[in-house]
Amino acid sequence: DAKTTQPPSMDCAEGRAANLPCNHSTISGNEYVYWYRQIHSQGPQYIIHGLKNNETNEMASLIITEDRKSSTLILPHATLRDTAVYYCIVRVGWWSSGGSNYKLTFGKGTLLTVNP
Amino acid sequence: ETGVTQSPTHLIKTRGQQVTLRCSSQSGHNTVSWYQQALGQGPQFIFQYYREEENGRGNFPPRFSGLQFPNYSSELNVNALELDDSALYLCASSLRLAETYEQYFGPGTRLTVT
Repeated sequence: DAKTTQPPSMDCAEGRAANLPCNHSTISGNEYVYWYRQIHSQGPQYIIHGLKNNETNEMASLIITEDRKSSTLILPHATLRDTAVYYCIVRVGWWSSGGSNYKLTFGKGTLLTVNP
Repeated sequence: ETGVTQSPTHLIKTRGQQVTLRCSSQSGHNTVSWYQQALGQGPQFIFQYYREEENGRGNFPPRFSGLQFPNYSSELNVNALELDDSALYLCASSLRLAETYEQYFGPGTRLTVT
């Protein structure tokens, strides 16, 4: 499985942009990068995903380098409620009789603490 | 739209016992995946069900088994519980599509084995 590397923790001031880096140097050409976050004692929450191009949705932006070996998740205006563990994941696929299948392989993630 | 629900919320069992955890998929989703999350770790993939069959499994022993029902709800069964089985068990549902495959997680069941 493609491995991701993230810093264990980061701090951000409330109202500022939070930029969370991720290295995935062994990613294959057809593997997607997914970001999830987990607020304490809750289930992980989907944020965004991408393959090659930069992506933006109502929660965040995802910047993927041209060689696809790293990416950055950007929370444009962090709030206290964004304090969570953020997981960068390379989606792993396999084939079965039912067709294509995928799983998410989580690492330890980055604990983002947004400070007032 | 109904989200993913899991029951029970918390559970305490004794070593050697058996446990069944339940999951209701998000409306319209036909695939269910189960994950185990030990304290301080990221979730680890246990297995996935589609069309009521297991179609992928992580590095977990056979005493971890599951079921998926025609309404796409699912059960996770663990036999001969061990202390190391204490964890948060997460269910995630998704819709099989060719490219996009967001998995939506439930709140989890906290299992404590004593």
